[in-house]
Amino acid sequence: KAGVTQTPRYLIKTRGQQVTLSCSPISGHRSVSWYQQTPGQGLQFLFEYFSETQRNKGNFPGRFSGRQFSNSRSEMNVSTLELGDSALYLCASSLDGDPSYNEQFFGPGTRLTVL
Amino acid sequence: GQQVMQIPQYQHVQEGEDFTTYCNSSTTLSNIQWYKQRPGGHPVFLIQLVKSGEVKKQKRLTFQFGEAKKNSSLHITATQTTDVGTYFCAGVWMDSSYKLIFGSGTRLLVRP
Repeated sequence: KAGVTQTPRYLIKTRGQQVTLSCSPISGHRSVSWYQQTPGQGLQFLFEYFSETQRNKGNFPGRFSGRQFSNSRSEMNVSTLELGDSALYLCASSLDGDPSYNEQFFGPGTRLTVL
Repeated sequence: GQQVMQIPQYQHVQEGEDFTTYCNSSTTLSNIQWYKQRPGGHPVFLIQLVKSGEVKKQKRLTFQFGEAKKNSSLHITATQTTDVGTYFCAGVWMDSSYKLIFGSGTRLLVRP
């Protein structure tokens, strides 16, 4: 079974631009969570989607948004990029139910650099 | 707010020595998960603890969940160079479903 895939793997943007990251979960997994990882803040929860519905979100500004499609693939969007948005963005998928009670399978991440 | 404090931040050990990382929450957790992230890699699930006082072992790794479900630890016996990486705990609270809050991680370096 293929693992979680994320595209693109690397991205360089400038301040003020917007970016869209994509995540394809493991086949059969319907829950997708997104995390931001930085050296200073560690792994921070962005949001979680299940059956195209956002069930929970972290403490990030409205510039960060996401969505999930009917095939469980998910995208996250960051508008009006700031230097501080430079980070590794990880998505994780898990089986049905509450991902906080299930093993999460992480993708390789998208490394975003904002100049 | 809900957060998990994890210590130490770094640990540098000689191969063969033991290693322990600790996680603490000020409020009762519903459950806790542990992940390992190798340098340049992504987090990989190790285990989940749910019951008060639970102890689970995976070969040289021993995981514990405190009686009050406010703290947890991961102990590695006789470290090997393959144990190198960052170990994260991730907590879940009763009133916060679908959301894992990760500790800051403990980075383990092993001298061969």
